[in-house]
Amino acid sequence: AQTIHQWPVAEIKAVGSPLSLGCTIKGKSSPNLYWYWQATGGTLQQLFYSITVGQVESVVQLNLSASRPKDDQFILSTEKLLLSHSGFYLCAWSGDWGGGEQYFGPGTRLTVL
Amino acid sequence: GDSVTQTEGLVTVTEGLPVKLNCTYQTTYLTIAFFWYVQYLNEAPQVLLKSSTDNKRTEHQGFHATLHKSSSSFHLQKSSAQLSDSALYYCALSEGTSSSFSKLVFGQGTSLSVVP
Repeated sequence: AQTIHQWPVAEIKAVGSPLSLGCTIKGKSSPNLYWYWQATGGTLQQLFYSITVGQVESVVQLNLSASRPKDDQFILSTEKLLLSHSGFYLCAWSGDWGGGEQYFGPGTRLTVL
Repeated sequence: GDSVTQTEGLVTVTEGLPVKLNCTYQTTYLTIAFFWYVQYLNEAPQVLLKSSTDNKRTEHQGFHATLHKSSSSFHLQKSSAQLSDSALYYCALSEGTSSSFSKLVFGQGTSLSVVP
């Protein structure tokens, strides 16, 4: 069975500080990977997707970047946090033809002060 | 691009009564499938229902939805709401041009509160 792990579970960071969030998928080779952001009380916004190692596409610009250093790993980062970065960050994966279904990780709660 | 509209931000229903959450969409790309995701408090969203066939009823965990392409709708219904159904519900559609990549477009979400 596939498992998806995100770290850290929660972060409290200062405005202007750097950030790195991670996501690991186990039990699935060559997954498609996604980062989503959910503002408090808001909808889910897809930020990035990656179909293969080393290749990441941006969906929206939020002064964030993403990288896929390994087949099973997806990293979200920024060098300088903004207050508007606060929210819930979710990693998701999809596999071979599954009709578009994506499976979400447990998420990371980010608070920027 | 595609868009999904959920008109109710909050729906409150009494336990045991029927509930309906509305979802309409606009699509210009190749749309693969339609989903209802449910998100319980402090948890990740998970798929509740999925459909890609017009006019076919899909059921899971007592919920049902029918995709109606003629009216661009995919409403979620349940005949008897339970307290445990209280959660955030998202309607979503997936668009993509390959067999394995999908971009999910989510609606704004509807918070369902079931009260005794």
